Amino acid sequence: QVQLQQSGPGLVKPSQTLSLTCAISGDSLSSNSASWNWIRQSASRGLEWLGRTSYRSKWYNEYAVSVKSRISINPDTSKNQFSLLLNSVTPEDTAVYYCARARNSGYDVWGLGDLVTVSS
Amino acid sequence: QSALTQPPSASGSPGQSVTISCTGASSDFGGYNYVSWYQQHPGKAPKLMIYEVSKRPSGVPDRFSGSKSGNTASLTVSGLQAEDEADYYCSSYALGVFGTGTKVTVL
Repeated sequence: QVQLQQSGPGLVKPSQTLSLTCAISGDSLSSNSASWNWIRQSASRGLEWLGRTSYRSKWYNEYAVSVKSRISINPDTSKNQFSLLLNSVTPEDTAVYYCARARNSGYDVWGLGDLVTVSS
Repeated sequence: QSALTQPPSASGSPGQSVTISCTGASSDFGGYNYVSWYQQHPGKAPKLMIYEVSKRPSGVPDRFSGSKSGNTASLTVSGLQAEDEADYYCSSYALGVFGTGTKVTVL
């Protein structure tokens, strides 16, 4: 049974960097049939895909245009986990953040979600 | 990419069927069969109900079905049950977008 365990601070100050980690159990980060995604949800923006990392003989990252200049998703094979870094945050980045596995183009396993509030 | 458009709400009585539409603005949406649907109960993470337009993951009741025609995908829930009351979202994996969401109410 695949599970995703999220961790990270729930409060970030404006202009600082939001950092979250998603630890994978029951699957491998290096699986060549999965991608590992970050998705957020807020009342104002709904569900918003932020980006993904995947391994297909080498690592590939894809990012949403809306955050492309501020985001980095990093795989850590030694810990079988991946992380999200979102810099220069504003209150608009306040949301519930989810990590999720995608297989066959569907997000089939989700973390529980972390509420991250951007406030001074 | 713009979000996919869904009706804000839909409803039906127990045992009836409800169909939710999901429309993409670009022809790219119509060109890919990477449409999936998610059910979300309050305070919970979304749950995959349909992938690749019409395929059901193991454990999802066959009351849930999906289809697509041109730039519009649809999710049909047949034989509505009380536990089907939730928010539903479509998604295009290829475009990296989700739908605006539809609240389904079981009357």
